[in-house]
Amino acid sequence: SQTIHQWPATLVQPVGSPLSLECTVEGTSNPNLYWYRQAAGRGLQLLFYSIGIDQISSEVPQNLSASRPQDRQFILSSKKLLLSDSGFYLCAWSPLNSNQPQHFGDGTRLSIL
Amino acid sequence: GQQVMQIPQYQHVQEGEDFTTYCNSSTTLSNIQWYKQRPGGHPVFLIQLVKSGEVKKQKRLTFQFGEAKKNSSLHITATQTTDVGTYFCAGGGYGQNFVFGPGTRLSVLP
Repeated sequence: SQTIHQWPATLVQPVGSPLSLECTVEGTSNPNLYWYRQAAGRGLQLLFYSIGIDQISSEVPQNLSASRPQDRQFILSSKKLLLSDSGFYLCAWSPLNSNQPQHFGDGTRLSIL
Repeated sequence: GQQVMQIPQYQHVQEGEDFTTYCNSSTTLSNIQWYKQRPGGHPVFLIQLVKSGEVKKQKRLTFQFGEAKKNSSLHITATQTTDVGTYFCAGGGYGQNFVFGPGTRLSVLP
């Protein structure tokens, strides 16, 4: 069966520090991969999605970036975090056909101090 | 671009009462998905609707896709405390990624 792993679960970072969140998927090949951010009590904002290795699409301008160095690995990064980057970051995967359900990781709660 | 709205934003019900959340899209959808997120958890896929006017049931949950494929609803009969959480719809456009609605947060009072 397919599983998705996301870490760390919780992260506290100072303003201006770098960020690296990692997500890996097991049990499937060529998945679509997604990074979402969820502000407290709010909906899901799509940040990046990827249909293949090194193929990243950005949905909103920001100081975050994403990379997909391997088929089942998706990384969210920042060189300098802002206070507004605080939130709940969720990685998700779906089968290659985009009209399929998305399966989410457990998320990372990021607090910027 | 495509926008997906949900009402109400919050709903407080007494255990045993019914609950309905509505989802509306600014554009015609190819399909729609519903997810549930428990407090502190991650969204979990519930169901997908594809056909115009489609109705699907999962125990006490009834999902409906509008005839024009621009709206959908989720109805829970006789809510239980285990129904607590935020319910999201996600609209799939033709050739586009799914767009999530802002969600409806359901509280169930015992």
